[in-house]
Amino acid sequence: QVQLVESGGGVVQPGRSLRLSCAASGFTFNSHGMHWVRQGPGKGLEWVAVIWYDGSNQYYTDSVKGRFTISRDNSKNTLYLQMNSLRAEDTAVYYCAREGVADQLPNAFDLWGQGTMVTVSS
Amino acid sequence: SYELTQSPSVSVSPGQTARITCSGDALPKKYAYWYQQRSGQAPVLVIYEDSKRPSGIPERFSASSSGTMATLTISGAQVEDEADYYCYSTDRSGKGVFGGGTKLTVL
Repeated sequence: QVQLVESGGGVVQPGRSLRLSCAASGFTFNSHGMHWVRQGPGKGLEWVAVIWYDGSNQYYTDSVKGRFTISRDNSKNTLYLQMNSLRAEDTAVYYCAREGVADQLPNAFDLWGQGTMVTVSS
Repeated sequence: SYELTQSPSVSVSPGQTARITCSGDALPKKYAYWYQQRSGQAPVLVIYEDSKRPSGIPERFSASSSGTMATLTISGAQVEDEADYYCYSTDRSGKGVFGGGTKLTVL
């Protein structure tokens, strides 16, 4: 069925790295821009990063720029988020989200994963 | 950095109309989107491109945008509408931004 499944979360010490994955199924992955959105404990949603459908462009929120890298492997229908130099404030549930295409919910996050928890703590 | 501002909470009785606002300087030129997040669940899209409702979203959900303010309206709010609601848009460089969220209480 149409779904996104995140993995790779866990507990990591400050300054260390972690890579999240988001496996897509049931739809044409390489037609959609993909985003990472996070939510700290008891906090609101925070947009993190986007990658275009073909991987040609990436944009980041200021607080992760230079530390996080969003990428995708369209042959594997998988989205990634490489997180380096992690900080306590990066602790959050990380969601991947699909961006709708021109004739179907354009630019909206029309499909979300269930989220994966990242805890940065010593 | 660009910000979208929402009031922290709104409370209505069942059957009343709930209005949730979102303000942002770029909204005159950028679409607003609205997401519902029930406790412990992933967000769900309820409105896209300022005022369009995805299939499967009840007709009691509507929205509009004028100037720097976007508004989500739930006409005849139901107990199951109790959730956090987030507006979303993009800044002039194309980076995404969420509002701080509004907790809707229906009781």
